[in-house]
Amino acid sequence: KAGVTQTPRYLIKTRGQQVTLSCSPISGHRSVSWYQQTPGQGLQFLFEYFSETQRNKGNFPGRFSGRQFSNSRSEMNVSTLELGDSALYLCASSLTGLDNEQFFGPGTRLTVL
Amino acid sequence: AQSVTQLGSHVSVSEGALVLLRCNYSSSVPPYLFWYVQYPNQGLQLLLKYTSAATLVKGINGFEAEFKKSETSFHLTKPSAHMSDAAEYFCAVIGSSNTGKLIFGQGTTLQVKP
Repeated sequence: KAGVTQTPRYLIKTRGQQVTLSCSPISGHRSVSWYQQTPGQGLQFLFEYFSETQRNKGNFPGRFSGRQFSNSRSEMNVSTLELGDSALYLCASSLTGLDNEQFFGPGTRLTVL
Repeated sequence: AQSVTQLGSHVSVSEGALVLLRCNYSSSVPPYLFWYVQYPNQGLQLLLKYTSAATLVKGINGFEAEFKKSETSFHLTKPSAHMSDAAEYFCAVIGSSNTGKLIFGQGTTLQVKP
């Protein structure tokens, strides 16, 4: 069974731009969650989607948004990029939700210049 | 609000020695608790999960963790460290099923010396 895939793996943007990251979950998984990982703040939960609906949300500004499609694939969008948005963005999928084992993708490394 | 604290950002042990990584949670409700491991340049992988069925939870690669409600702790142990155990370990908590956030600790980097 294929694992969680994330595209692109690396991304370089400039301040003020916007970016869209993509995540394809494991087949059959309906929950997709997103995390930001930085050396200073560690791993922080962004949001979780289940059956195309945002079910849980972390404490991030509205510039961070996401969506999930009917095939469970998910996208995360960050608008008006700031230098502090430079991070590794991880996506995870699970069968039913956050209380189940999360299967993580390799992440997208975003650098904002 | 849920939170989790990992004591010690770096732990160094010799190969064959006991591994002890500490995690304390804050919650008035028995939580869901997890330990995840992140190997260099890889995503996270679940080591084990507390489900309230047993206080001693066995995971993969010889790791286990004991849930102690009185101490609000969920420390991770392995009797004998192997070089391949060198990685970053994260304790995580969720307050209740599907209605909360998955909160991670700051992580503990485990170094294993030959």
